[in-house]
Amino acid sequence: SAVISQKPSRDICQRGTSLTIQCQVDSQVTMMFWYRQQPGQSLTLIATANQGSEATYESGFVIDKFPISRPNLTFSTLTVSNMSPEDSSIYLCSAKTGLGSPLHFGNGTRLTVT
Amino acid sequence: SQELEQSPQSLIVQEGKNLTINCTSSKTLYGLYWYKQKYGEGLIFLMMLQKGGEEKSHEKITAKLDEKKQQSSLHITASQPSHAGIYLCGADRGSGGGADGLTFGKGTHLIIQP
Repeated sequence: SAVISQKPSRDICQRGTSLTIQCQVDSQVTMMFWYRQQPGQSLTLIATANQGSEATYESGFVIDKFPISRPNLTFSTLTVSNMSPEDSSIYLCSAKTGLGSPLHFGNGTRLTVT
Repeated sequence: SQELEQSPQSLIVQEGKNLTINCTSSKTLYGLYWYKQKYGEGLIFLMMLQKGGEEKSHEKITAKLDEKKQQSSLHITASQPSHAGIYLCGADRGSGGGADGLTFGKGTHLIIQP
């Protein structure tokens, strides 16, 4: 199974700034996804990170707010731009080695926006 | 869109007792996944079920998939303090083997009383 490392593990940021979260997988994976978990809520899919092309965003999420990069099969970044307190959440990177395989998660990034 | 309803929302069980958590889908289940999350951390993959009637066990945790009922159950035998946490069920979004990510239930908070 893939081991996923995410950093930072937590951060406190000021309103209006941006934070980039990095996700590194220890093996090549076919699919990578970014999720958000707001306080007391379940996970919501933000986007699918596509290798070498633009990410596929879910309804309610836009590239200007959550730009995503995936330059290769083991690495992806998610940027939370122009942050507001409503962006305070846990952001989770996840990956699959192939169709029908389990989706594995990193330990998440706990973001607090003040 | 697919919705997953988990029950109960929270559960307090005396150490050593058995318990069951249910996950019911509003649509056909193609792949069903169970995860455990410790508060504020990432998700730990427990089990994946893909065929109707499938049952899997790991240590004292057993999961079953009832495809006809669009439902899965997670059963813990002789609960221990280490079982405490949030249990989440996730389902493939469509029949593509997870290519579109997972949708998640809201989770079941499990507390084990000594």
